[in-house]
Amino acid sequence: EADIYQTPRYLVIGTGKKITLECSQTMGHDKMYWYQQDPGMELHLIHYSYGVNSTEKGDLSSESTVSRIRTEHFPLTLESARPSHTSQYLCASSEVYPSTDTQYFGPGTRLTVL
Amino acid sequence: AQTVTQSQPEMSVQEAETVTLSCTYDTSESNYYLFWYKQPPSRQMILVIRQEAYKQQNATENRFSVNFQKAAKSFSLKISDSQLGDTAMYFCAFMKHVSPDKLIFGTGTRLQVFP
Repeated sequence: EADIYQTPRYLVIGTGKKITLECSQTMGHDKMYWYQQDPGMELHLIHYSYGVNSTEKGDLSSESTVSRIRTEHFPLTLESARPSHTSQYLCASSEVYPSTDTQYFGPGTRLTVL
Repeated sequence: AQTVTQSQPEMSVQEAETVTLSCTYDTSESNYYLFWYKQPPSRQMILVIRQEAYKQQNATENRFSVNFQKAAKSFSLKISDSQLGDTAMYFCAFMKHVSPDKLIFGTGTRLQVFP
């Protein structure tokens, strides 16, 4: 079944650790996105990609980085996690043709940095 | 810059009743998309309904319908025959028709459906 997956679902780590949040989709979508959802539930775009080897920063400044080496895979990395990174991270994807407007979301990763 | 405002942080409704969630937005664009997304507790965000700005007809999806007022920049969601499974956070979102096609979200409305 075509879907979008995120692992881990929950992560609790200490300050200074390097972490990678995984996002994969089996829908063949070219476009992928990372959103950060703060405890107040507001969502902000932090990264997006329109295809392999294409990545752009979003509206919200983030210390995270992303890569897009394969179409289906869009991991997000924090080199040195801090308590301010505590948040929920949502990955999304959308197709280019025939319609590019609808984004499909993964289940999210809830990150807590102690 | 585009902004999306949801003025109702929380709402509640009795099962089988109808509820309307409000959303207003601000943009200088003439062509864009509007969405309502639903995020149930600890579950995946899913699309409820979408509206293309150039279409005057209001979108409907089963029990969900919108009242799209382009001139007033208003996009409310009506849920008819509310069900317990409708309990969720509801987000209104805006997307420009041109790149970058990022979603601009409102702050959400938490809807509780009571038996």
